[in-house]
Amino acid sequence: SQTIHQWPATLVQPVGSPLSLECTVEGTSNPNLYWYRQAAGRGLQLLFYSVGIGQISSEVPQNLSASRPQDRQFILSSKKLLLSDSGFYLCAWSGGIGYGYTFGSGTRLTVV
Amino acid sequence: AQTVTQSQPEMSVQEAETVTLSCTYDTSESDYYLFWYKQPPSRQMILVIRQEAYKQQNATENRFSVNFQKAAKSFSLKISDSQLGDAAMYFCAYGAGNMLTFGGGTRLMVKP
Repeated sequence: SQTIHQWPATLVQPVGSPLSLECTVEGTSNPNLYWYRQAAGRGLQLLFYSVGIGQISSEVPQNLSASRPQDRQFILSSKKLLLSDSGFYLCAWSGGIGYGYTFGSGTRLTVV
Repeated sequence: AQTVTQSQPEMSVQEAETVTLSCTYDTSESDYYLFWYKQPPSRQMILVIRQEAYKQQNATENRFSVNFQKAAKSFSLKISDSQLGDAAMYFCAYGAGNMLTFGGGTRLMVKP
């Protein structure tokens, strides 16, 4: 069966520090991968998505970047965090939109 | 661009009663999918139910059912025999191509 792993679960980082959040999928090949951000009590904002290795589409210009170095690995990064980068980050994968997304358990990022 | 609207930011229901959450969407596509996701306090996103637009029959999953009105572009979720564990944020989502578009969410409170 397919599983998705996202880590870390919680992260507190100072302003100006770098960021790396990792997401991996097991049990499938060539998944579509997505990064979302969610502010407290709010909806989901799509940040990046990828339909293949090295293919990244950015939905919102910002302080973040994404990479897909391997088929089932999706990384969200920042060189210098801002206070506004605080939020809940969700990774998701899809094997076909008819099945929807399967989400990771999320990372709660607090920039201080 | 497709948009998904959930007009009820908050709803409440008495335990064991029935509640309906509303969702409307805008699209020019004829082939698409619709979903309801549940996000409990743990913030894990859980797929509740899915509907294929080409199917007229409304989807049902145990106590959860939908009322899909394609011409009206409406996709409401009915929760029967509400339980305390149903308390969560509920997101409606429209799927086509490689993407899901999410509504802003409805917070459901269940009163004992």
